[in-house]
Amino acid sequence: KAGVTQTPRYLIKTRGQQVTLSCSPISGHRSVSWYQQTPGQGLQFLFEYFSETQRNKGNFPGRFSGRQFSNSRSEMNVSTLELGDSALYLCASSLFSPSGGDNEQFFGPGTRLTVL
Amino acid sequence: AQSVTQLGSHVSVSEGALVLLRCNYSSSVPPYLFWYVQYPNQGLQLLLKYTSAATLVKGINGFEAEFKKSETSFHLTKPSAHMSDAAEYFCAVSITGRRALTFGSGTRLQVQP
Repeated sequence: KAGVTQTPRYLIKTRGQQVTLSCSPISGHRSVSWYQQTPGQGLQFLFEYFSETQRNKGNFPGRFSGRQFSNSRSEMNVSTLELGDSALYLCASSLFSPSGGDNEQFFGPGTRLTVL
Repeated sequence: AQSVTQLGSHVSVSEGALVLLRCNYSSSVPPYLFWYVQYPNQGLQLLLKYTSAATLVKGINGFEAEFKKSETSFHLTKPSAHMSDAAEYFCAVSITGRRALTFGSGTRLQVQP
């Protein structure tokens, strides 16, 4: 079974631009979560989607948004990029169950975004 | 809210020596606990998880962890380190009904020949 795929793997943008990152979950996984990883702040939860609906959101400004499509693929968008948005953005997929918290999350390789 | 503290941002061991990576958690409700490993330029791979079934959890690559509620700890151990274990390790917590993981700051494990 193919793993979580993220595109692109590397991206360079300039301040003020916007960017869209894509994530394809493992086949059959309906929940997709996004995380930001930086040297200073570590790994931080951005948001989670299930059935095209945002289920949980982390403590990030409104410039960070996402969506999920009917095939469970997800995109996240960052508008008006700032230097501090430079990070590795990780997508994770999991099976959906009512309990939620015990589901293993399978991570993709990430998209490394550099903002100049 | 949940939180995770990993003591020691860098740990160095000799090949063949015991690996001990420390993780303490804080949660107002019963937690689910995870250990992930990250190799350079890669995503996170699950080593093991605690979901209340058993306090001693065995994972992949010879790693195991013990959930100790009284100490709010979930330390990761491996009896004998291998060079291929060199990586960054993250402890994470989640709770029922919420898939979002709260991660510790990570511990970089170095294995000396």
